[in-house]
Amino acid sequence: GAVVSQHPSRVICKSGTSVKIECRSLDFQATTMFWYRQFPKQSLMLMATSNEGSKATYEQGVEKDKFLINHASLTLSTLTVTSAHPEDSSFYICSATREGANEKLFFGSGTQLSVL
Amino acid sequence: GDSVTQMEGPVTLSEEAFLTINCTYTATGYPSLFWYVQYPGEGLQLLLKATKADDKGSNKGFEATYRKETTSFHLEKGSVQVSDSAVYFCALAFSGGYNKLIFGAGTRLAVHP
Repeated sequence: GAVVSQHPSRVICKSGTSVKIECRSLDFQATTMFWYRQFPKQSLMLMATSNEGSKATYEQGVEKDKFLINHASLTLSTLTVTSAHPEDSSFYICSATREGANEKLFFGSGTQLSVL
Repeated sequence: GDSVTQMEGPVTLSEEAFLTINCTYTATGYPSLFWYVQYPGEGLQLLLKATKADDKGSNKGFEATYRKETTSFHLEKGSVQVSDSAVYFCALAFSGGYNKLIFGAGTRLAVHP
């Protein structure tokens, strides 16, 4: 089956630094990728949708300048948390769709970000 | 707005016990309902789904029935195994927008031998 690889699985960083999370579709071309965030005991919330070669579409309340999304190829999307602060500590997860998959989503295993 | 509420975990059971994880939803229309499962170290996987009222989704011994009258989609399994230990997410989406899933917070299930 289709596999989505996400890394790192866990990252700890100092406040003010930037962190990049990668999401790769290993055996298919992902036309669209999605980024979600989950705070402790809260729902997994969609942050943004990205299509290869175009700007990401952000959900309401998500700062586009803080969460930079690049989808430069059909197999790779990156999320960069710029100038991270403790309140950005969260679980981030990506998913991808491929053509002909009948809207099926394939998820990465997630990244736990802790900002000190 | 549309939302999904599921029971807070962790749920701890002995092997062969009966499992219920409650899920209720709030939606302005008639969504499709889903259960996703995340095993340790892996991505979320679709476990089962139901697209209209009274439909029952089933897979791997798990079942959930779309109950419009109670706006619920509770997950059940008659006899859990240690290998069922995972985090379970209830979600909804509208036709044509299955990519825009609205998730619950997830419920961690731990099954002990």
